[in-house]
Amino acid sequence: EPEVTQTPSHQVTQMGQEVILRCVPISNHLYFYWYRQILGQKVEFLVSFYNNEISEKSEIFDDQFSVERPDGSNFTLKIRSTKLEDSAMYFCASRDEQGQPQHFGDGTRLSIL
Amino acid sequence: AQRVTQPEKLLSVFKGAPVELKCNYSYSGSPELFWYVQYSRQRLQLLLRHISRESIKGFTADLNKGETSFHLKKPFAQEEDSAMYYCALLAGSSASKIIFGSGTRLSIRP
Repeated sequence: EPEVTQTPSHQVTQMGQEVILRCVPISNHLYFYWYRQILGQKVEFLVSFYNNEISEKSEIFDDQFSVERPDGSNFTLKIRSTKLEDSAMYFCASRDEQGQPQHFGDGTRLSIL
Repeated sequence: AQRVTQPEKLLSVFKGAPVELKCNYSYSGSPELFWYVQYSRQRLQLLLRHISRESIKGFTADLNKGETSFHLKKPFAQEEDSAMYYCALLAGSSASKIIFGSGTRLSIRP
């Protein structure tokens, strides 16, 4: 069964540095998402992406965050200048048509020092 | 406000006992609800969705619009059911974001 893949599984970065989290969605999917889960808290929506543009973003997704689909397969989340509170598990998800369930990747654990 | 509430952080039951994981939601439109499961060190997986009305691994969930609930049930718990369970609501624009509850950790005792 096809899967959403995320790399790296764990990223350690100094505060203030830029970080890029990578995702390869399932190949025929059209909608892409990023979520995050701070340790001990719920999974929170960050951003959705469709037709090469952001469809919706949450309050968390401020100017420090950006997403990109640089080619036909990757979907990236960039945090420009990381803060300690960005430490979390970041999940990528994708789905094909409207109304179909989202499929999640294994997540990337981001640790900001 | 769009919200999903799971009142129990931890639920511990004996193997063979019935299980009910509670979920309540708040949503102004017609809700579409899911249960996701996360086994130890694995990804979030869709367990079931209310529109399909199917039973997966013996679990069922019925949408009760009057009580705004979508409780997850299983008549006889198995040890392999131990996992984190998240109730989720599809919301937002056509791209449809998911709003998750805080999750319930289900622990099945032998």
